[in-house]
Amino acid sequence: DAGVIQSPRHEVTEMGQEVTLRCKPISGHNSLFWYRQTMMRGLELLIYFNNNVPIDDSGMPEDRFSAKMPNASFSTLKIQPSEPRDSAVYFCASKTSGNSDEQFFGPGTRLTVL
Amino acid sequence: EDKVVQSPLSLVVHEGDTVTLNCSYEVTNFRSLLWYKQEKKAPTFLFMLTSSGIEKKSGRLSSILDKKELFSILNITATQTGDSAVYLCAYNSNYQLIWGAGTKLIIKP
Repeated sequence: DAGVIQSPRHEVTEMGQEVTLRCKPISGHNSLFWYRQTMMRGLELLIYFNNNVPIDDSGMPEDRFSAKMPNASFSTLKIQPSEPRDSAVYFCASKTSGNSDEQFFGPGTRLTVL
Repeated sequence: EDKVVQSPLSLVVHEGDTVTLNCSYEVTNFRSLLWYKQEKKAPTFLFMLTSSGIEKKSGRLSSILDKKELFSILNITATQTGDSAVYLCAYNSNYQLIWGAGTKLIIKP
């Protein structure tokens, strides 16, 4: 079975450019999470969707960040304009609505903003 | 404020040693505690704990939860170089996981 799919795996861009990260959750999972991981701050939750609806976006750093989930099989995280401090690994994770709290992580996108 | 504290932050041992990693938490609405292993990629799930005193075991790894004292431990016996990784614990409060900073474990041959 395919796990969570993220693209691109690596992204290098220049400050001020728009960046779009993509995620396909595991089929049948109805919750989707976007995380950012850095050495300094560890793993941070950015936004959480349940049944394609954003439930909590309090972790989104600022207005430059936006996320969408137009359907159950696709989500995007956009940064516009990007800044060097946005450099991090961005993970997407999904889970079912059952009793398990396990979140399944995608391979991540390593973003470098120059 | 809810938080998760892991200790030690880093640990270096030799192959064959046994290690114990600690995770303490302060939460307002505990649901479960999870352990993940992260090598140079995404975190992978190890255990989910919901009840005190019941050990979860998978091969050389085991974990237990103490809900009264608000902590969990992850034990690895007969460590191997492949156990080198960052071990993350997280507690589940409602819908989201609150993550600790992780313990970086290095196993020397």
